[in-house]
Amino acid sequence: DAKTTQPPSMDCAEGRAANLPCNHSTISGNEYVYWYRQIHSQGPQYIIHGLKNNETNEMASLIITEDRKSSTLILPHATLRDTAVYYCIVLGYRGSARQLTFGSGTQLTVLP
Amino acid sequence: NAGVMQNPRHLVRRRGQEARLRCSPMKGHSHVYWYRQLPEEGLKFMVYLQKENIIDESGMPKERFSAEFPKEGPSILRIQQVVRGDSAAYFCASSPGQGFSYEQYFGPGTRLTVT
Repeated sequence: DAKTTQPPSMDCAEGRAANLPCNHSTISGNEYVYWYRQIHSQGPQYIIHGLKNNETNEMASLIITEDRKSSTLILPHATLRDTAVYYCIVLGYRGSARQLTFGSGTQLTVLP
Repeated sequence: NAGVMQNPRHLVRRRGQEARLRCSPMKGHSHVYWYRQLPEEGLKFMVYLQKENIIDESGMPKERFSAEFPKEGPSILRIQQVVRGDSAAYFCASSPGQGFSYEQYFGPGTRLTVT
């Protein structure tokens, strides 16, 4: 699975959009980009995933560049409850479900 | 639809005792994963199970740790003769058994403290 690189920390003002970048320059064609977050010691929470098209759900939007070497998770109106560590994970299909490999992630702090 | 349930939420054991951690997956999910998070560290995969089968235990310590997911009942992570270094948060996750889907849904975790 391709390695990912994320900034260690970011701040965002409450009510503004939070844009979290992720580099995955060695991603291959059949690998998906997944985003999870962990709010202070709670269990990680699935946010969104995508292959090459932009994706949107009730929590966030995922923008994947055309060459797929990087992506951005967008929280459109960040709230204090969005303060968490955000993990970008690249995972390829090998015929069955597989474990997640968590890196260091990005600590997002939403400021009042 | 109830989420992934783990119990107990907090467990205190003395060195040398056994710890049993339980995980009930989401309804309809037949894949279970266990992860460990040591203090101030990231989550590390331990084991992946389906009903009555261990699929991947590459992250499990070779000794004292075992896991099962019986046909009936919750998945169990068992740690024998606990040591202080086992103190950590243990998270269970589940996913559906069909199709290509890596979305895993995590429980609240069990905080194990070894005194």
